[in-house]
Amino acid sequence: AQTVTQSQPEMSVQEAETVTLSCTYDTSESDYYLFWYKQPPSRQMILVIRQEAYKQQNATENRFSVNFQKAAKSFSLKISDSQLGDAAMYFCAYRRGNAGNMLTFGGGTRLMVKP
Amino acid sequence: NAGVMQNPRHLVRRRGQEARLRCSPMKGHSHVYWYRQLPEEGLKFMVYLQKENIIDESGMPKERFSAEFPKEGPSILRIQQVVRGDSAAYFCASSGEGGLGEQYFGPGTRLTVT
Repeated sequence: AQTVTQSQPEMSVQEAETVTLSCTYDTSESDYYLFWYKQPPSRQMILVIRQEAYKQQNATENRFSVNFQKAAKSFSLKISDSQLGDAAMYFCAYRRGNAGNMLTFGGGTRLMVKP
Repeated sequence: NAGVMQNPRHLVRRRGQEARLRCSPMKGHSHVYWYRQLPEEGLKFMVYLQKENIIDESGMPKERFSAEFPKEGPSILRIQQVVRGDSAAYFCASSGEGGLGEQYFGPGTRLTVT
């Protein structure tokens, strides 16, 4: 069974600074996708960024980027120029193969942004 | 394009009652997934459905829980004879055919069992 581990229950960052959230996963599959979701206090799950395992290039979405280390099974999220609105729970998720497969989530990291 | 709709947003039930949670997927989406989030935890997969079919229910408790996605109307997650341990946030997600199959989430239903 696949597992996703987020070892940092809480992180804090100063506004405008950079923070990195860690995620490791375990799988024997070769075809899979990785995601970071943001859950603000409203509890809405918002997709932040995704990474296809077959792609070597790290995904980037504006201030969000990932460091995907396939051999190490590591998938960290870097948030640059942190903003107050970035404060939320962040969940790393794994999905085997294409559509129709479930997401396996990590336990989450609570990110606090200090003004 | 309307997103995934869930209702009610909050539901309070006494122990022993039934809870019905509804989910309308995004327009054009035919895949529906239900997840449960206990306090201070990540989301856990429960069931995956397509129209009129349950595809994967490996995360569903064996008793009291059922799900359906009829040909017409929303998907329903039904919990019979609720217990306090069922108190959680229940999220529905939907995805379309092809592409990367990204799952888009609804706002969730917070179930409180008293």
